[in-house]
Amino acid sequence: KAGVTQTPRYLIKTRGQQVTLSCSPISGHRSVSWYQQTPGQGLQFLFEYFSETQRNKGNFPGRFSGRQFSNSRSEMNVSTLELGDSALYLCASSLDPAGVADTQYFGPGTRLTVL
Amino acid sequence: GESVGLHLPTLSVQEGDNSIINCAYSNSASDYFIWYKQESGKGPQFIIDIRSNMDKRQGQRVTVLLNKTVKHLSLQIAATQPGDSAVYFCARDSGTYKYIFGTGTRLKVLA
Repeated sequence: KAGVTQTPRYLIKTRGQQVTLSCSPISGHRSVSWYQQTPGQGLQFLFEYFSETQRNKGNFPGRFSGRQFSNSRSEMNVSTLELGDSALYLCASSLDPAGVADTQYFGPGTRLTVL
Repeated sequence: GESVGLHLPTLSVQEGDNSIINCAYSNSASDYFIWYKQESGKGPQFIIDIRSNMDKRQGQRVTVLLNKTVKHLSLQIAATQPGDSAVYFCARDSGTYKYIFGTGTRLKVLA
């Protein structure tokens, strides 16, 4: 099976711009989570989607948003970019059988640099 | 608040020796724990997991131990190899479709 894929792998943007990142989960996986990884804060949870519904959200401002499509693919959007948004954005997918906590498999991430 | 902490930010081990990476957690409601390995430029890679109804689980060269009494999780790597050099994270589910990650331990394997 193909793993989790994320596009693009690298992005350079300037402050004030917006960005959309894409994630394709492992085939059959219905839960998709997004994380921000920085050297100072580590891996921080952004949000989680299942069946096109956001089930949980981390402590990030409203500039961070996401969605999930009917084929489980997911996108996240960051509007009005700030320098502090520079990070590795990771997507993870899991089967989520009947809501039981399940292994999350990560993609390679999208490296976002905000200038 | 919720947290998953690690005792050491960096661990150096001689090639061939066993490695032990530790993790403490503060919330006892977690039912599921995972260890991940992250190499430079890559996403975290699943190593091994354990549920709260178990104390120990073994994989290939790796063992995870869970001590719920003291809220402690450890990852043991047998016969550490250069390819084991990476950052290791522990993670736990929070019960609300959210996983909380530790800050990571960098494992350095010395030749």
